[in-house]
Amino acid sequence: DAKTTQPPSMDCAEGRAANLPCNHSTISGNEYVYWYRQIHSQGPQYIIHGLKNNETNEMASLIITEDRKSSTLILPHATLRDTAVYYCIVRATHYNQGGKLIFGQGTELSVKP
Amino acid sequence: GAVVSQHPSWVICKSGTSVKIECRSLDFQATTMFWYRQFPKQSLMLMATSNEGSKATYEQGVEKDKFLINHASLTLSTLTVTSAHPEDSSFYICSARDRGTSGNTIYFGEGSWLTVV
Repeated sequence: DAKTTQPPSMDCAEGRAANLPCNHSTISGNEYVYWYRQIHSQGPQYIIHGLKNNETNEMASLIITEDRKSSTLILPHATLRDTAVYYCIVRATHYNQGGKLIFGQGTELSVKP
Repeated sequence: GAVVSQHPSWVICKSGTSVKIECRSLDFQATTMFWYRQFPKQSLMLMATSNEGSKATYEQGVEKDKFLINHASLTLSTLTVTSAHPEDSSFYICSARDRGTSGNTIYFGEGSWLTVV
């Protein structure tokens, strides 16, 4: 699975959009970009995933560049409860290609009042 | 999203004893589940991939005789920490792959805190 690079930490003001970047320059054509977050002492929570098109759900938006070498997770109106470590992971999903999620260090997002 | 449940949420056991942690997919069938451990202020480390009806695949450096994994049904995988020692104290997290979703999304349980005294 391709490696990702994320900034170790970011701050965001409550109510503002949080934009979390991720570089995955060695991503393969069959690998999806996944985002999870982990609030302290809990299991990771799935946020969103995408292959090449931008995606949006009730939690966030995922913007993937045209060359797929980087992406941005957008939390449109950050709240204090969004304070967490955010993980960007690229993963092949076909059964015979493992499909494992390998976690890096992630970005620690602090939402401040 | 799909629900994955772990039990127990926390457990304290004596050194030398074994402890079992259960992982259940509540609203989908999971042919594949994954077990992680996490130490304080560190990221999740994948321990093994659990496949229903077959032997688990362990990551390099993980002792298969120490961490026994059984995936006997499509909704249940168990991790047994055998002859536990204080250094096995950690946060253990399971996840399950939902093949009914695009991208075979993986969902995580709440985690289980193990303290060995």
